[in-house]
Amino acid sequence: TQLLEQSPQFLSIQEGENLTVYCNSSSVFSSLQWYRQEPGEGPVLLVTVVTGGEVKKLKRLTFQFGDARKDSSLHITAAQPGDTGLYLCAGGYSGNTPLVFGKGTRLSVIA
Amino acid sequence: KAGVTQTPRYLIKTRGQQVTLSCSPISGHRSVSWYQQTPGQGLQFLFEYFSETQRNKGNFPGRFSGRQFSNSRSEMNVSTLELGDSALYLCASSGGGVFYEQYFGPGTRLTVT
Repeated sequence: TQLLEQSPQFLSIQEGENLTVYCNSSSVFSSLQWYRQEPGEGPVLLVTVVTGGEVKKLKRLTFQFGDARKDSSLHITAAQPGDTGLYLCAGGYSGNTPLVFGKGTRLSVIA
Repeated sequence: KAGVTQTPRYLIKTRGQQVTLSCSPISGHRSVSWYQQTPGQGLQFLFEYFSETQRNKGNFPGRFSGRQFSNSRSEMNVSTLELGDSALYLCASSGGGVFYEQYFGPGTRLTVT
């Protein structure tokens, strides 16, 4: 059973379009992290959200944590080819408990 | 600060052999975690070491083992390799932040033939 479901699995869009990817769970998390992984590299942490309803912006990327802390979304405005990669969400619990990762959304932005 | 380094980057082994992968964490990070990443299963947690002790363990068979040295460097060993062990093995270090944020290395691509 996958604790964190990410959708869509694959997304191919044109440069300049907007997009939203989702991360859903039936579990409550103390934090939700988003990572981006480019081919041949390990995932890189983009953001951590910790409060229900929290919204964080990172340039053209907007991250939101659901009110109940069970889900999250990532919105990209005016996507660029450099945004191409695998976007992973990870749910965190309190204490030194390992993160739970979703399977990711593979985004391709075509110039 | 230098990032997490992993060696080797690529490895080809034959079924039944064993393999050892190495990871050097970010300086000052005492927690090192290992993950297996495959297209079908995504990123799966293997185990975590903190101050030379295994602190957490995922749901993998005993063929997968690890250790951590006093300088926080870590090794992962897989014995009696199976075809299904072909994957990208990622190491991540954590600096003890409240939210357990992971800093990943580039991974070791293991192919078992």
